[in-house]
Amino acid sequence: EAQVTQNPRYLITVTGKKLTVTCSQNMNHEYMSWYRQDPGLGLRQIYYSMNVEVTDKGDVPEGYKVSRKEKRNFPLILESPSPNQTSLYFCASSHGSSYNEQFFGPGTRLTVL
Amino acid sequence: SQKIEQNSEALNIQEGKTATLTCNYTNYSPAYLQWYRQDPGRGPVFLLLIRENEKEKRKERLKVTFDTTLKQSLFHITASQPADSATYLCALPPHAGNNRKLIWGLGTSLAVNP
Repeated sequence: EAQVTQNPRYLITVTGKKLTVTCSQNMNHEYMSWYRQDPGLGLRQIYYSMNVEVTDKGDVPEGYKVSRKEKRNFPLILESPSPNQTSLYFCASSHGSSYNEQFFGPGTRLTVL
Repeated sequence: SQKIEQNSEALNIQEGKTATLTCNYTNYSPAYLQWYRQDPGRGPVFLLLIRENEKEKRKERLKVTFDTTLKQSLFHITASQPADSATYLCALPPHAGNNRKLIWGLGTSLAVNP
């Protein structure tokens, strides 16, 4: 089954404790991206990747890092999480670019205390 | 910069009626515009993409129009069903020729009453 998976689905952590949210897709997509979704602010792009080893900042990259060492994986790293990073996070992937249909993962609900 | 406006007020309609949702953008006309459905706590699901040279696109009970003069896309669901209740999002590129990013509207919540 074609899908985007994220782990963990739920996470409660404390300020400053490094964490990684994994994202994996099995559709051989070139394009992958991370979003956060907050009430009243909608979906905002954090980082995106056009292909392996090619990443770039989205609209809200501060406090986040990403890597794209393999085509299928695009982990999101929070080196020192803060309460303002409490949010619902989505990973998405598509063929080629943002022009094409975006396939979203199930989401990761993160709470930073 | 490009901004997207979707009706923030929830839309309540009776089953069987046609729902019409609006997506307005403020600056340049994008080369394409996408519509997605999102259920609470879940990831958006792609519905339709319409290109700037397409006036209308259909998929089963769904229809999307694109009016570059009005800077507006309309999303219609005909013969609506309670299962159509969800939030509907529109997305488009932030700049002309940009195929690297998407910006998103806040979405319109649709409730279809039986």
